[in-house]
Amino acid sequence: NAGVTQTPKFQVLKTGQSMTLQCAQDMNHNSMYWYRQDPGMGLRLIYYSASEGTTDKGEVPNGYNVSRLNKREFSLRLESAAPSQTSVYFCASSEVRWQPQHFGDGTRLSIL
Amino acid sequence: AQTVTQSQPEMSVQEAETVTLSCTYDTSESDYYLFWYKQPPSRQMILVIRQEAYKQQNATENRFSVNFQKAAKSFSLKISDSQLGDAAMYFCAYTDSNTGKLIFGQGTTLQVKP
Repeated sequence: NAGVTQTPKFQVLKTGQSMTLQCAQDMNHNSMYWYRQDPGMGLRLIYYSASEGTTDKGEVPNGYNVSRLNKREFSLRLESAAPSQTSVYFCASSEVRWQPQHFGDGTRLSIL
Repeated sequence: AQTVTQSQPEMSVQEAETVTLSCTYDTSESDYYLFWYKQPPSRQMILVIRQEAYKQQNATENRFSVNFQKAAKSFSLKISDSQLGDAAMYFCAYTDSNTGKLIFGQGTTLQVKP
């Protein structure tokens, strides 16, 4: 019963580097989400995907791109990392749209 | 704009006792959903309980229950028979089909004392 799996769990980047955060769910959910959580705050939506092949911007999409190539996987890419993107990133999925139910363990990303 | 406010940054409760966490929200929508999430030190976000605004009956999940006051725009979480494993940050959250996003409160850190 894996649920939502995120990789990597930790990553340190230099300013300007790129990387992709991976997320996969095995619950056959249509809806998937990427959030970021800054210290002492709740989650803010970066991007979401209502179904395979569709993506839409959330509250804080600047500096990020996403890809939903199939129903299971939803990746988040930082093309040119900036220190302001230092955060903890969570992927989530849900059966019902707009009600994230299952979360991954998070990726702690530090950009120097 | 929709907002969610948790006015208690920190709360503490004695093991086996009951604690209530407060949450208020602001919206002009009539159809929306409210949630309580738990985030333990392990960091994983866990959905605790969910309430549909059109339902008058308060949601209950085992030791967790809510007091949903729609007119007052209040959504408090009651934890009964508190356990050490309940210690975590608790977030209240709101969503509706128009905004299309989950809006979180600032969080309340709950400490459970043995």
